[in-house]
Amino acid sequence: QVQLVESGGGVVQPGRSLRLSCATSGFIFTDYTLHWVRQAPGKGLEWVANILYDGSSRYYGDSVKGRFTISRDKSTNTVYLQMNSLKTEDTAVYYCVRDPQWLVPYFDYWGQGTLVTVSS
Amino acid sequence: QSVLTQPPSVSAAPGQKVTISCSGSSSNIGNNYVSWYQQFPGTAPKLLIYDNTERPSGTPVRFSGSKSGTSATLGITGLQTGDEAEYYCGMWDSSLSLYVFGTGTKVTVL
Repeated sequence: QVQLVESGGGVVQPGRSLRLSCATSGFIFTDYTLHWVRQAPGKGLEWVANILYDGSSRYYGDSVKGRFTISRDKSTNTVYLQMNSLKTEDTAVYYCVRDPQWLVPYFDYWGQGTLVTVSS
Repeated sequence: QSVLTQPPSVSAAPGQKVTISCSGSSSNIGNNYVSWYQQFPGTAPKLLIYDNTERPSGTPVRFSGSKSGTSATLGITGLQTGDEAEYYCGMWDSSLSLYVFGTGTKVTVL
């Protein structure tokens, strides 16, 4: 069955870095575009970034552009989110999601999420 | 600041129908396909509707999606207490080159 398992969350000080991982299984990794979506406590969903199925293109939300980098490793079926220069407003649960049709994206499977808390 | 506007809340009695609107612009809803997600407190969202009207396996037929112009609508008929959740619309915005979510709507069963 399809699984997306995030890890790497935790408490970090403002200005520091953190790398999230999302281990995937149950599907052909190189057939799917993958995204990160976050949700601040008590708030709505915010799209963070995506990376195309073949890694050829990446897109970022305005609030993270220039600070976050998404990448993928087909040898381990894992997608990453490198988060630099973290701000308190980056505090959120981060979800890894699968997108079966990148030209017209939608998210058919979601991970359980990993909590990132940015605080001094 | 979301570019897709939803009503903060809707409510109805069990067995009744509710509709949730998602209002956007020509660069998002007007030119792309809408999806809808259901989220219970403390859990990850779940896909309900994709490509405006399509239901993935597992989504009851009580849930339906539609789109007209720059607005989309999620309908829930035969409302059940288990439908109490937050609902979000979402889609790719061609002009912004990013995915956008609606502001979210809380459904309450009276």
